Amino acid sequence: QQQVKQSPQSLIVQKGGISIINCAYENTAFDYFPWYQQFPGKGPALLIAIRPDVSEKKEGRFTISFNKSAKQFSLHIMDSQPGDSATYFCAASTLGNQFYFGTGTSLTVIP
Amino acid sequence: ETGVTQSPTHLIKTRGQQVTLRCSSQSGHNTVSWYQQALGQGPQFIFQYYREEENGRGNFPPRFSGLQFPNYSSELNVNALELDDSALYLCASSLVSGGGAGAEQFFGPGTRLTVL
Repeated sequence: QQQVKQSPQSLIVQKGGISIINCAYENTAFDYFPWYQQFPGKGPALLIAIRPDVSEKKEGRFTISFNKSAKQFSLHIMDSQPGDSATYFCAASTLGNQFYFGTGTSLTVIP
Repeated sequence: ETGVTQSPTHLIKTRGQQVTLRCSSQSGHNTVSWYQQALGQGPQFIFQYYREEENGRGNFPPRFSGLQFPNYSSELNVNALELDDSALYLCASSLVSGGGAGAEQFFGPGTRLTVL
């Protein structure tokens, strides 16, 4: 059973536009929700993360929105750039243990 | 401060063989987690080591085993390799304090294993 469901599978956005990726989870014990960016041939790199006691976190062009009651969280990339083209994974974990990853979203930003 | 490193970068084995993958954790980190990432999929948790003890295991058979050393580096061993074991194997390190909340995990570049 997929613990974290991610959508869409792929996304094409014009340069300067907003990219939005959504994730949903079931386990209410999760207490840490990171987003990772992965380029081909590389390991995932931590982009931004949130804990369930806040509803939004912003770092530069990247924002996580968190809805605890709906058990959903999303990544917003403002002013998307061609260099943002990569695969993005959401994840969830509890007590620093097993991380459950979504299936990934392939983002392409068109110049 | 050095990041997470893994060796080797690429590896080709034949079915039935055994393989050992290595990971050096980021300086100051005490926990190592191993993941298997099949092509086009998200990483799947194999197991985690904390203070040289296994601290959680995913849905992987016993032929996947590991070790963590006193310097917090780690090995992943896979016996009796199968074709489906072909994947990118990722190591992630983190600093976990007793009873703490979810800790940031920092990933290495991975080892690409191909089983023929």
